[in-house]
Amino acid sequence: SQTIHQWPATLVQPVGSPLSLECTVEGTSNPNLYWYRQAAGRGLQLLFYSVGIGQISSEVPQNLSASRPQDRQFILSSKKLLLSDSGFYLCACTSGTRIYNEQFFGPGTRLTVL
Amino acid sequence: AQKVTQAQTEISVVEKEDVTLDCVYETRDTTYYLFWYKQPPSGELVFLIRRNSFDEQNEISGRYSWNFQKSTSSFNFTITASQVVDSAVYFCALSEAGIRDDKIIFGKGTRLHILP
Repeated sequence: SQTIHQWPATLVQPVGSPLSLECTVEGTSNPNLYWYRQAAGRGLQLLFYSVGIGQISSEVPQNLSASRPQDRQFILSSKKLLLSDSGFYLCACTSGTRIYNEQFFGPGTRLTVL
Repeated sequence: AQKVTQAQTEISVVEKEDVTLDCVYETRDTTYYLFWYKQPPSGELVFLIRRNSFDEQNEISGRYSWNFQKSTSSFNFTITASQVVDSAVYFCALSEAGIRDDKIIFGKGTRLHILP
């Protein structure tokens, strides 16, 4: 079964600073990958997804970007953070077989922008 | 358009009581999947169950049970003899079958408090 790693676990950054969050997946090949954001006490917002290396689809216009340089690596970035970027960032993947669509989630990164 | 509604924003019950979390979905697809996820205070979403649209059999796993009814577009989740460790936010979700991106539509979640 797949395991998803995310780092860092927590991050405090000043407004205007850059951001790089990393997600790696073990135990499966050719997964779909997803970045979600969850504001405090709120639901899940899909930010980006990728169906293959170098293929990124954006769901919400914002100052964030994503990249997938390797099959099991997904990176979320920003050149200049905003206060509104604070939240809990979750990476998720489907299994490589993609039989039933369920997504499996990593432990998340709590980002606070000050 | 697909939509998942969890009308209960927050529920509090005393330990050992049974509790049912409601989920109503909308979709025009004939083949789809339904899911429940648990998000404990640590934050990680834990996959609990998947149901295929063509399988309306209810399922029981220990103290957890799920009631899928296509006639009412509902997929409710019951916890029997609740425990404090069941305190979490629970998300119901829906996905269309056969699409390349496998995107999931999540409900807004129900926060469950189990009081000792």
